[in-house]
Amino acid sequence: DSGVTQTPKHLITATGQRVTLRCSPRSGDLSVYWYQQSLDQGLQFLIQYYNGEERAKGNILERFSAQQFPDLHSELNLSSLELGDSALYFCASSGLAGLNTGELFFGEGSRLTVL
Amino acid sequence: KNEVEQSPQNLTAQEGEFITINCSYSVGISALHWLQQHPGGGIVSLFMLSSGKKKHGRLIATINIQEKHSSLHITASHPRDSAVYICAVKGGSNYKLTFGKGTLLTVNP
Repeated sequence: DSGVTQTPKHLITATGQRVTLRCSPRSGDLSVYWYQQSLDQGLQFLIQYYNGEERAKGNILERFSAQQFPDLHSELNLSSLELGDSALYFCASSGLAGLNTGELFFGEGSRLTVL
Repeated sequence: KNEVEQSPQNLTAQEGEFITINCSYSVGISALHWLQQHPGGGIVSLFMLSSGKKKHGRLIATINIQEKHSSLHITASHPRDSAVYICAVKGGSNYKLTFGKGTLLTVNP
């Protein structure tokens, strides 16, 4: 158990809809990272938050947004969903030490299916 | 061309064999990660390297910064090692990771 909790584990929705994925980092970890894993693109970095502020941005579509709340949990919002958004979405967290050691702790992922 | 290339893409071994998975990258990096993903999806971080070699149990990871190459070795492989092994690199001072496509390892009893 990594200590990182993601909900929901599975989600099926229709094109055009909007969903929210939630991540609770390990206790005390200030950094949260979101990744997308699809069959054709593999794993891709989406975005990182550190203590409530956006720290780094990757290949995140404009239809996607994220935030980190004062209690450090994070949400990834996906809107105007398309078939190609079907993927596993992973959250990872790291602590202050992790920013230097690179140690990341991954959640189990949220599997999104867009029909 | 992907910035991070892994080889082989698929690897089948017999229990007890020594396994090597390779990762080459084309950009300057500050660190390289090896990750393990079991069927069902969960990802575990195995190593983070910026130089030299690290060992944890039967797993050994090495990196050659000059050659832009890293290897993950598994000694005395076991069926429970069957998983996808993913190499990821961290560039410079940012915290983005760029991932390889992964190596699917199957260890048969």
